[in-house]
Amino acid sequence: DADVTQTPRNRITKTGKRIMLECSQTKGHDRMYWYRQDPGLGLQLIYYSFDVKDINKGEISDGYSVSRQAQAKFSLSLESAIPNQTALYFCATSSSGANVLTFGAGSRLTVL
Amino acid sequence: GENVEQHPSTLSVQEGDSAVIKCTYSDSASNYFPWYKQELGKRPQLIIDIRSNVGEKKDQRIAVTLNKTAKHFSLHITETQPEDSAVYFCAASATGNEKLTFGTGTRLTIIP
Repeated sequence: DADVTQTPRNRITKTGKRIMLECSQTKGHDRMYWYRQDPGLGLQLIYYSFDVKDINKGEISDGYSVSRQAQAKFSLSLESAIPNQTALYFCATSSSGANVLTFGAGSRLTVL
Repeated sequence: GENVEQHPSTLSVQEGDSAVIKCTYSDSASNYFPWYKQELGKRPQLIIDIRSNVGEKKDQRIAVTLNKTAKHFSLHITETQPEDSAVYFCAASATGNEKLTFGTGTRLTIIP
């Protein structure tokens, strides 16, 4: 089945470490997004990409960077993780002209 | 940018009764309003959406209403069932700025 796959699903790391969360999709969608979910704060957009050569900051991009390696791959990096980046991270995709998001299963990150 | 407020943050409803969740948005250019449901431990999934050219849309037990003048939209669930227990997110976006801004979520609990 066409899907959105996130790796790793769970990660515990220490303050100052570099972390990469990866997202790949087989839906053929051109748009990809990274969201962060914290209790009581909903889903906050970190970065989004409408095409391979297009990268845009979202609401909370500070401390994060992204790379769109191919149409099907969009990775999120934390160069130097800090405890308040502990959260559930979701990758999502959509096709241009249809704003329906398909979410991955999420990556739970804990920074000690 | 767009700001979406969602109320209430938690809602408990007796099984069989109706539930209503309300959202307001700030950007008068917003014209697409989806609702996502996130069951415990799962990814958010689209359950219904509405565009600004209609005032109401129904799909079986769920309906969404939109008041463009007041800039608010609501999710209505009738004849609630235990499987309706979840966190519900509203969102808004505008043509030409097609990234979704989410509300902070409502945790709905159906009491058997």
